[in-house]
Amino acid sequence: EVQLLESGGGLVQTGGSLRLSCAASGFTYYMYAMSWVRQAPGKGLELVSSISAVGDRTFYADSVMGRFTVSRDRSKSTLSLQMNSLRVEDTAIYYCVKDSRDSFSDIRGKFDSWGQGTLVTVSS
Amino acid sequence: DIQMTQSPSSLSASVGDRVTITCRASRSISSYLHWYQQKPGKAPKLLIYTSSNLQSGVPSRFSGSGSGTDFTLTISSLQPEDFATYYCQQSYSIPRTFGRGTKVEIK
Repeated sequence: EVQLLESGGGLVQTGGSLRLSCAASGFTYYMYAMSWVRQAPGKGLELVSSISAVGDRTFYADSVMGRFTVSRDRSKSTLSLQMNSLRVEDTAIYYCVKDSRDSFSDIRGKFDSWGQGTLVTVSS
Repeated sequence: DIQMTQSPSSLSASVGDRVTITCRASRSISSYLHWYQQKPGKAPKLLIYTSSNLQSGVPSRFSGSGSGTDFTLTISSLQPEDFATYYCQQSYSIPRTFGRGTKVEIK
């Protein structure tokens, strides 16, 4: 059974930093692209960042480009999101999401497993 | 970016009703459209992929159809556990984008 367990969320002031982690298990981690999807309170879903299976390609939403960095560790089966220069509008639940393909740009890809999410609150 | 427009944004229905949700893409996405279900306080869950394929374990009362720009999610007979918010999402181009969701509420 696929399990994705996020951690690292919390309360931080505007301009601060947080590092989210996701521990993956139950599948061959290095074979699949991974993503972070966030959901602001009472709002819809927004793709924040993606990383290819081997970690050589990344994607960032315009809203986080230059502030967030995604990475993955094959040996530990973990996914990370370093978030700097946080803004109030970054407040959201952040979900760790498994792709069904090795590339996040594969049109056949879909988000087939989701973690339970970790809440990030940025206060002014 | 491809914009995904869902309608309605919310609906009220009774157990046993047939429910239809539509999703329109701002340009053709072939059949690369997926549907997710999210219950309150829970993570989204993949329901249907590539327009009409049921994810493993999803009840057969759910079905999807469409291609190009217009897609439909249908629940043939609404059950109490189906009250949730449903999102469509395209994977045809990067960035993958979601619709704003359709909340299905109890009438």
